[in-house]
Amino acid sequence: DAGVTQSPTHLIKTRGQQVTLRCSPKSGHDTVSWYQQALGQGPQFIFQYYEEEERQRGNFPDRFSGHQFPNYSSELNVNALLLGDSALYLCASSFFGKEETYEQYFGPGTRLTVT
Amino acid sequence: AQKITQTQPGMFVQEKEAVTLDCTYDTSDQSYGLFWYKQPSSGEMIFLIYQGSYDEQNATEGRYSLNFQKARKSANLVISASQLGDSAMYFCAMREVDNYGQNFVFGPGTRLSVLP
Repeated sequence: DAGVTQSPTHLIKTRGQQVTLRCSPKSGHDTVSWYQQALGQGPQFIFQYYEEEERQRGNFPDRFSGHQFPNYSSELNVNALLLGDSALYLCASSFFGKEETYEQYFGPGTRLTVT
Repeated sequence: AQKITQTQPGMFVQEKEAVTLDCTYDTSDQSYGLFWYKQPSSGEMIFLIYQGSYDEQNATEGRYSLNFQKARKSANLVISASQLGDSAMYFCAMREVDNYGQNFVFGPGTRLSVLP
């Protein structure tokens, strides 16, 4: 049973460029959340996708956008990259349900460096 | 306002000793969930333990236990019989749920170092 997978593992981009990160959820999960973790800090919630729609969004600018596909996998897109976007980007999957399950499994992350 | 507070940026513990990592939270919801995650240097977040706001007993998972004091809004993690492999960052998180879904709010983390 594959867990959450993310690609690529590492990425180096230049300021102003655009980047796309990918995530495949754990088998049986239908909800994908994205987090940004700057060095030395806790993860910050970016947004969550369920049924191919953005359901929740944290305090991130519109430069951050996403997509969820019918197979539940997801992409995170960041436009007009800034140096401050350098971080570990974590994807987490879960089953949409308020009480049925609480588990959220994280992928290994994509480390983005903006130069 | 910070919803999850972890006041210990770093902690040291001797191998085989027990250690408590502090976490306080702030919410007006009646139903919420509290989590602890471990993040080794590899970066992956590893789920350790969960406590529901309505759970009457403290959660336990092997060497991990959660000291849940609802009135004080604290959810401290206790690791018994520390091992060298326990050295990592530890994050306390709270799950917030509304009609639109759920999201997790993380604290700033505590770096635990286990000494041989």
